[in-house]
Amino acid sequence: ETGVTQTPRHLVMGMTNKKSLKCEQHLGHNAMYWYKQSAKKPLELMFVYSLEERVENNSVPSRFSPECPNSSHLFLHLHTLQPEDSALYLCASSQDIAGTPREQFFGPGTRLTVL
Amino acid sequence: GDSVTQMEGPVTLSEEAFLTINCTYTATGYPSLFWYVQYPGEGLQLLLKATKADDKGSNKGFEATYRKETTSFHLEKGSVQVSDSAVYFCALSDQAGNNRKLIWGLGTSLAVNP
Repeated sequence: ETGVTQTPRHLVMGMTNKKSLKCEQHLGHNAMYWYKQSAKKPLELMFVYSLEERVENNSVPSRFSPECPNSSHLFLHLHTLQPEDSALYLCASSQDIAGTPREQFFGPGTRLTVL
Repeated sequence: GDSVTQMEGPVTLSEEAFLTINCTYTATGYPSLFWYVQYPGEGLQLLLKATKADDKGSNKGFEATYRKETTSFHLEKGSVQVSDSAVYFCALSDQAGNNRKLIWGLGTSLAVNP
């Protein structure tokens, strides 16, 4: 039990669909992350929220839209995706303390397939 | 920029064999180093970490020593089990830069046969 949950675990969607991924952390952390994991590529950091404010956005296409309504919840809204967006999407959380390397705790991921 | 290089897999071993997965890094500051493990169908879990030179991280029989002179953080285990089959990721967090951003290796797949 990692303390970070993600739903759904699997998602199949068409290119014209709109869907959302949900992440919830039960660790009392103040920072949350979205990552994309694709085969043969390093883990890609997509977004970082600290204290519910977006602090990192690594050139992610606008068809991915994050939302962080509070420190425990993080969403990734998806619309008009492309087949190359098929991947495992991982959520993580950490306690954000300036000057200290932050151990990130990961959820199990959502396996997304775009048809 | 900072980077992490891991040995390519897959690595296939018999149970009770000795494991080494190599990891080297380049960084401008004084990074902290991590090994994460991803079991089939699951997310990543922190396996061990080291925050300064000569530190040894250890957990579940795995060890890794932070070697600044060789910029390495190789993962070792003396006797692997079938349950160790997973993908192992080396990562660094550069204290001199953006502490939220981990730099990741590509991962090394390990398969342990009974």
